[in-house]
Amino acid sequence: GAVVSQHPSRVICKSGTSVKIECRSLDFQATTMFWYRQFPKKSLMLMATSNEGSKATYEQGVEKDKFLINHASLTLSTLTVTSAHPEDSSFYICSARGETASYEQYFGPGTRLTVT
Amino acid sequence: AQSVTQPDIHITVSEGASLELRCNYSYGATPYLFWYVQSPGQGLQLLLKYFSGDTLVQGIKGFEAEFKRSQSSFNLRKPSVHWSDAAEYFCAVAFMDSSYKLIFGSGTRLLVRP
Repeated sequence: GAVVSQHPSRVICKSGTSVKIECRSLDFQATTMFWYRQFPKKSLMLMATSNEGSKATYEQGVEKDKFLINHASLTLSTLTVTSAHPEDSSFYICSARGETASYEQYFGPGTRLTVT
Repeated sequence: AQSVTQPDIHITVSEGASLELRCNYSYGATPYLFWYVQSPGQGLQLLLKYFSGDTLVQGIKGFEAEFKRSQSSFNLRKPSVHWSDAAEYFCAVAFMDSSYKLIFGSGTRLLVRP
């Protein structure tokens, strides 16, 4: 149980285009989802927290107009990187938290974004 | 401010040797504690967690960790390392008063000598 998927696993896009990453909880309802960014050989940096049906809460320094997060249902959250630039290239990981055990997050396998 | 420290960036051990990865946190309240492992290009896999009760917790793949409140530590151990254990290890903590948002340490890369 508690499986989280991400799609796509890898994506290459041209500079100036937008790309959408999906995060799904497959066997539980995720009231809260988190989006992290990981630079090479670095730790995970929390970008934002999204609760189903409400606006995401962004961490300090994260541009909310650039990283659009939507959590339209209890099993799906999306991260859209708008007008992507090479510096947005990174590994993006989502996690999901259920209605019970509010202290435990289940992580997706990550999405490697490369902007050319 | 809440923070997590993993003082060792790299650790190299021989296959079959024992392993201890260090993790310390700063904050007064009792945290929820986690250890995750990440293989290259992969997501995070939960090794073990501590919420309450017995301070020595057993996890998957033969790992264990001990919570020591007096030292604000949650060190990860394994008695005999296998070559497949080579990976990046992250300690993370969560606190109730920050809505259980995970705070990650900087990670320790484990290298295993044959």
